[in-house]
Amino acid sequence: DAGVIQSPRHEVTEMGQEVTLRCKPISGHDYLFWYRQTMMRGLELLIYFNNNVPIDDSGMPEDRFSAKMPNASFSTLKIQPSEPRDSAVYFCASSPDRRGHNEQFFGPGTRLTVL
Amino acid sequence: AQSVSQHNHHVILSEAASLELGCNYSYGGTVNLFWYVQYPGQHLQLLLKYFSGDPLVKGIKGFEAEFIKSKFSFNLRKPSVQWSDTAEYFCAVGRNDMRFGAGTRLTVKP
Repeated sequence: DAGVIQSPRHEVTEMGQEVTLRCKPISGHDYLFWYRQTMMRGLELLIYFNNNVPIDDSGMPEDRFSAKMPNASFSTLKIQPSEPRDSAVYFCASSPDRRGHNEQFFGPGTRLTVL
Repeated sequence: AQSVSQHNHHVILSEAASLELGCNYSYGGTVNLFWYVQYPGQHLQLLLKYFSGDPLVKGIKGFEAEFIKSKFSFNLRKPSVQWSDTAEYFCAVGRNDMRFGAGTRLTVKP
């Protein structure tokens, strides 16, 4: 298996622009997670899905952030409009549902820079 | 609400020194515990995990961790570190609502 795939790996954009990050989980994994990593705040869980349904989005910082999972093999995290403080590395992770023993497998991340 | 505390922000060791990184947690219910490692410029990789059973867990690359329920701790250990262990180490607790500690940066001097 190729593991969790994220694109793009790097994104540089200007403040006010829309940014879309993409994730393809490991096939057969029922859970998908979006995290944000910054020096100041560390690794934060933004939202997670189970069987394509958002379960907990309490970590999404504000309405500018939205996430979707239209099918089992694809998810997007969108920021509109983007701001400089959104600059971070965004990780996607997926996990199988094995009786609650949920080890998460991380993708390589997208490094977002908002100018 | 669950939380994870890693008390060491940056640890600097010489090769062959022993390592212990502290992790304390608070969590309601059955706890799953993890240590992840992030090498420079790379994504997080699982080092080891504890779900139940033997509280002494052995992971990859010679790492181990001990779950002490009474102390709410899950400290990571390695008897002899190598330069290649230079990385950031994250303790995590939870199930799907996993929470990560702030991370401990380990620098191993050759």
